[in-house]
Amino acid sequence: DQQVKQNSPSLSVQEGRISILNCDYTNSMFDYFLWYKKYPAEGPTFLISISSIKDKNEDGRFTVFLNKSAKHLSLHIVPSQPGDSAVYFCAAHGGATNKLIFGTGTLLAVQP
Amino acid sequence: KAGVTQTPRYLIKTRGQQVTLSCSPISGHRSVSWYQQTPGQGLQFLFEYFSETQRNKGNFPGRFSGRQFSNSRSEMNVSTLELGDSALYLCASSPRGRDSPLHFGNGTRLTVT
Repeated sequence: DQQVKQNSPSLSVQEGRISILNCDYTNSMFDYFLWYKKYPAEGPTFLISISSIKDKNEDGRFTVFLNKSAKHLSLHIVPSQPGDSAVYFCAAHGGATNKLIFGTGTLLAVQP
Repeated sequence: KAGVTQTPRYLIKTRGQQVTLSCSPISGHRSVSWYQQTPGQGLQFLFEYFSETQRNKGNFPGRFSGRQFSNSRSEMNVSTLELGDSALYLCASSPRGRDSPLHFGNGTRLTVT
């Protein structure tokens, strides 16, 4: 049972435009959400997180939106740069542990 | 500050053998988690250690085990290797666990032949 889903395996965007990556979850106990970026042959790099008590968190070009009623979160990257090309994973956890449940990832390609 | 260090980077083993992977967390981080990444299953949680105690375990067979030392360094062991154990094994650390992001190492690529 896939509790965290990223339904778009890939996304292509022009440099300078907005990239929007989406993620859905099914477990209402999740209360902390994260986005990671991963280049080939490297480990995931933490980008941004959001607690369930918020609906938006910004960090530079990255903004994460959380819609708890829809069990949906999204990552906006503005403006997109070629160096942003990577696989993006959303992840969630809830309860007393630090166990993260990851989505399957979205490959973002930013075209120059 | 040095990041999470995993050794070795690459490993080739044959079926039936056992393997030990090592992870040094970021200095001051007490929580260490292990994940398995495969093309078909994505990133799957193996286990988490905090202050030398296993705090949580994923749905993997008992052939997968781990431990954490007093300096927070961690090792993961896989016994009786199977072809399906071929994967990228990622270690991640965080200062305290809950509501603090995990910081990942670059992983150990294990190939079982």
